[in-house]
Amino acid sequence: DGGITQSPKYLFRKEGQNVTLSCEQNLNHDAMYWYRQDPGQGLRLIYYSQIVNDFQKGDIAEGYSVSREKKESFPLTVTSAQKNPTAFYLCASSRTSAETQYFGPGTRLLVL
Amino acid sequence: GENVEQHPSTLSVQEGDSAVIKCTYSDSASNYFPWYKQELGKRPQLIIDIRSNVGEKKDQRIAVTLNKTAKHFSLHITETQPEDSAVYFCAASRTNTGNQFYFGTGTSLTVIP
Repeated sequence: DGGITQSPKYLFRKEGQNVTLSCEQNLNHDAMYWYRQDPGQGLRLIYYSQIVNDFQKGDIAEGYSVSREKKESFPLTVTSAQKNPTAFYLCASSRTSAETQYFGPGTRLLVL
Repeated sequence: GENVEQHPSTLSVQEGDSAVIKCTYSDSASNYFPWYKQELGKRPQLIIDIRSNVGEKKDQRIAVTLNKTAKHFSLHITETQPEDSAVYFCAASRTNTGNQFYFGTGTSLTVIP
């Protein structure tokens, strides 16, 4: 999991602003995932991508968008439509969609 | 969709004692069950996993058991040490249909020296 990086570590968002969280992996993994973690609620899936140029919504996709133009990269945009974005965001990847997921170090998003 | 319930939410044990965390799942088609350990402010780290064709798996002081009939699986930690203190998450997924992980709500384990 050391091959998965997320930036920035902390991110501040103003009202009405879109922000983008970066996730990069050098593990040659096909599948990538975005989770949101709130206290006492475990991890919830926002979006996932099994292959380049393809992605699917998870359980809480509203207010978020993603792209998967390169195998190594899966950026997440938190749009102004997401009314409660304060959370810890975790990116994960797996070699294939049938194998275990390894997590990046996370980005903590705070609203100003 | 799948629903994973995890108990207890908090657990305190004396150093050297055993700890058991239980999870139940609702989707009988789930076939992969990983366990993650997360220290404060850090990323979740995979500690052990089990697939539906196996009933039990061990790795040193950690073991996982799976009861497919009852749809529950458990994490067992023996001879606990202070460094085992962390939040533990279970998850369930169907690896043949996109591998979406459904996580439990976590168990905060404290090992008292």
